[in-house]
Amino acid sequence: NAGVMQNPRHLVRRRGQEARLRCSPMKGHSHVYWYRQLPEEGLKFMVYLQKENIIDESGMPKERFSAEFPKEGPSILRIQQVVRGDSAAYFCASSERGGPDTQYFGPGTRLTVL
Amino acid sequence: AQSVTQLGSHVSVSEGALVLLRCNYSSSVPPYLFWYVQYPNQGLQLLLKYTSAATLVKGINGFEAEFKKSETSFHLTKPSAHMSDAAEYFCAVSERGGYQKVTFGIGTKLQVIP
Repeated sequence: NAGVMQNPRHLVRRRGQEARLRCSPMKGHSHVYWYRQLPEEGLKFMVYLQKENIIDESGMPKERFSAEFPKEGPSILRIQQVVRGDSAAYFCASSERGGPDTQYFGPGTRLTVL
Repeated sequence: AQSVTQLGSHVSVSEGALVLLRCNYSSSVPPYLFWYVQYPNQGLQLLLKYTSAATLVKGINGFEAEFKKSETSFHLTKPSAHMSDAAEYFCAVSERGGYQKVTFGIGTKLQVIP
């Protein structure tokens, strides 16, 4: 059973461009979580999605950031008009159920904004 | 609201010595508690979790943690450090009753000295 897949692993964008990060959860998992890790900081929750639904986006910046988890295909975290402060590692996790179920993390996408 | 405090952003131990990484939590309801490990340029891997069974939880790689409600602590220990234990360790808390929104500490980098 493959683990959580994220691509690309590294992404370089210039200010003002769009960044699109993909996450394929583990097989059988319908719950996806996105986190952001800034240098020297812990992981900060961004958004929690189930198939076709956003359950909690309280950690998402109000502007420029959006996330989706369509019925088919990977979950997408989209950052429009990137700025240097968006440079970070973005991690996706998935779980089979909500509640206390263990979250399994992907290897992350490291975004660098020039 | 839930929060986690990890005491000591950097800890150094000699190979073979006891590893003790401290974590205190705050939660308005009985919590679930987790320790994750992150190796350089990788995602997070679950070491162990407490979900209300035994207060002493054993995890992978010889690590264990004890839930102490009176001290609101969940410290991570390992009797004898190995060079391969050098990594960053994150304590995390999740509240019962809802979906699993996990709050992470800022992490503790463990250095193992030969």
